[in-house]
Amino acid sequence: AQKVTQAQTEISVVEKEDVTLDCVYETRDTTYYLFWYKQPPSGELVFLIRRNSFDEQNEISGRYSWNFQKSTSSFNFTITASQVVDSAVYFCALSEFDSGNTPLVFGKGTRLSVIA
Amino acid sequence: EPEVTQTPSHQVTQMGQEVILRCVPISNHLYFYWYRQILGQKVEFLVSFYNNEISEKSEIFDDQFSVERPDGSNFTLKIRSTKLEDSAMYFCASSARGDSEAFFGQGTRLTVV
Repeated sequence: AQKVTQAQTEISVVEKEDVTLDCVYETRDTTYYLFWYKQPPSGELVFLIRRNSFDEQNEISGRYSWNFQKSTSSFNFTITASQVVDSAVYFCALSEFDSGNTPLVFGKGTRLSVIA
Repeated sequence: EPEVTQTPSHQVTQMGQEVILRCVPISNHLYFYWYRQILGQKVEFLVSFYNNEISEKSEIFDDQFSVERPDGSNFTLKIRSTKLEDSAMYFCASSARGDSEAFFGQGTRLTVV
């Protein structure tokens, strides 16, 4: 069965600090996809990244970076030089490859508060 | 930029009433989804829809729920007889392919009183 664990319920940092949000997943499939979504206070879910299980390259997008390690089943998300606008709930999600569509299994989310 | 739009943004309904939540997915997407998020909890999958039929559904999606794509653009979720525990944020999402990223609408907050 699929499972996503985000052990950090809430994190609070001071602006300009770096912060890493942890995500650990469980799946029996060898082909799967990992995602991060951001949910700002306004409530919508904003797609950040999708990574397939065969691509373990780390990715950097501006102040965001992701570290995918299959050996530890982790897909961690780092925000460098955090800003107040980064305050949100961040969800890690997993979907297993199927011939059809692949529903997302979400973690419980990590609430990040960036204090000015 | 194309986006998924949902209406209404907030719906209040009495217990036992039927409610229809509406979504317009991104126009060239083929896969459609409904998810829900009870306040303060994680996002949970309800149902996926492809080629005019349900392709997968969770145990939450019981006989009280139904989905429909009545025309080429809308995708609806109907709850036949709402219960207090149906109160949640309901998200519609769409994706171009089954394995591509899903883009979510802004959600409909359903409050059952």
